[in-house]
Amino acid sequence: NAGVTQTPKFQVLKTGQSMTLQCAQDMNHEYMSWYRQDPGMGLRLIHYSVGAGITDQGEVPNGYNVSRSTTEDFPLRLLSAAPSQTSVYFCASSYSRQGKTYEQYFGPGTRLTVT
Amino acid sequence: AQSVAQPEDQVNVAEGNPLTVKCTYSVSGNPYLFWYVQYPNRGLQFLLKYITGDNLVKGSYGFEAEFNKSQTSFHLKKPSALVSDSALYFCAVNWAGNNRKLIWGLGTSLAVNP
Repeated sequence: NAGVTQTPKFQVLKTGQSMTLQCAQDMNHEYMSWYRQDPGMGLRLIHYSVGAGITDQGEVPNGYNVSRSTTEDFPLRLLSAAPSQTSVYFCASSYSRQGKTYEQYFGPGTRLTVT
Repeated sequence: AQSVAQPEDQVNVAEGNPLTVKCTYSVSGNPYLFWYVQYPNRGLQFLLKYITGDNLVKGSYGFEAEFNKSQTSFHLKKPSALVSDSALYFCAVNWAGNNRKLIWGLGTSLAVNP
């Protein structure tokens, strides 16, 4: 199993540009999530999904969109990049049992710089 | 309010000595507790979890953690530290398996000195 994969690994954007960060998992996990990691702020949840066709906002959703058309894929779209979105982005997935979710498996991350 | 605290930003320990990375939490109901490790420029890796049962849980790479309900703590321990254990460690807690309410600590940087 490849686990959770993310592309690209690095990206530089100009303010106002848009882009999509890709995330895929091959573990048939129902739960998937996107986090951003900033120094001194730990991990902050951007959006999450509990299954195909179901998404919801996390702690810091503004400026980001998600969709979940398949169990495997959970792309994150930056609509109009801003310097405040410079961060490291992690995708994660988790299995569910009887409505409960457990440990998460993380991708390697995307380091995004917005100039 | 639900919260997680990792009271030490950094922990330094000599190789071969025991290590402890502290975590305390506040959550209503049954906590699900997790420890993750992040090596430089890598994603987080799951180490261990407490859901129910024995208070002492064992995980990857020789780590273990003890759930203490009365002290609302879940400290990470290892009997003998390795230089390769140097990394950033995160504690996380949710309420009864609800990852929509997963709360993360800010992380503790562990440095193991040769």
